[in-house]
Amino acid sequence: AQRVTQVQPTGSSQWGEEVTLDCSYETSEYFYRIFWYRQLFSGEMVFLIYQPSFDTQNQRSGRYSVVFQKSFKSISLVISASQPEDSGTYFCALSELITGYQNFYFGKGTSLTVIP
Amino acid sequence: AQTIHQWPVAEIKAVGSPLSLGCTIKGKSSPNLYWYWQATGGTLQQLFYSITVGQVESVVQLNLSASRPKDDQFILSTEKLLLSHSGFYLCAWRTGGSYEQYFGPGTRLTVL
Repeated sequence: AQRVTQVQPTGSSQWGEEVTLDCSYETSEYFYRIFWYRQLFSGEMVFLIYQPSFDTQNQRSGRYSVVFQKSFKSISLVISASQPEDSGTYFCALSELITGYQNFYFGKGTSLTVIP
Repeated sequence: AQTIHQWPVAEIKAVGSPLSLGCTIKGKSSPNLYWYWQATGGTLQQLFYSITVGQVESVVQLNLSASRPKDDQFILSTEKLLLSHSGFYLCAWRTGGSYEQYFGPGTRLTVL
């Protein structure tokens, strides 16, 4: 069963617009973390931001922020003032700490195009 | 600064042939290391992880094996490639005190 769902396979925005990418997940753990990565066209994965389950404050990092709705098990990545360089595939990942190791479940990704 | 290197950058191999992919991380001692596989256009699947030298745990095997011969080195291998092994292989690391994983540049494998 899919643990992480990203329902938007593709998305687009105009330069300067705010972009929101959605993710939902399934877990029975109390402690977990949700990560966002961007995959460049080369295949390189770039870490963007993460949200711990126990932190009620939405995390921010530069132009990236998240909207964390724990009770709905959903989280959105918000990119402010989007730029063409933000184009790529965005992956949401759920991480749980199970028996001493950190597992990662990735969604299928959302391919974002920012139009100049 | 930490650097992570994967080799080779790309491989084209025949079905039934052996494979060895490597990952080296410099500038960080005793990292936790991970192997991921990504089918073309697909999501990432965690394959193996290693917390220390000589110790490797399997998450999903896919007829592959992994070894950690040195603190900074992680090897993915198989004696017989299958068509289904084609895809993009990513190595990742994290330190014991942090939660985010950082990825290497990846190796693109095509099995014919």
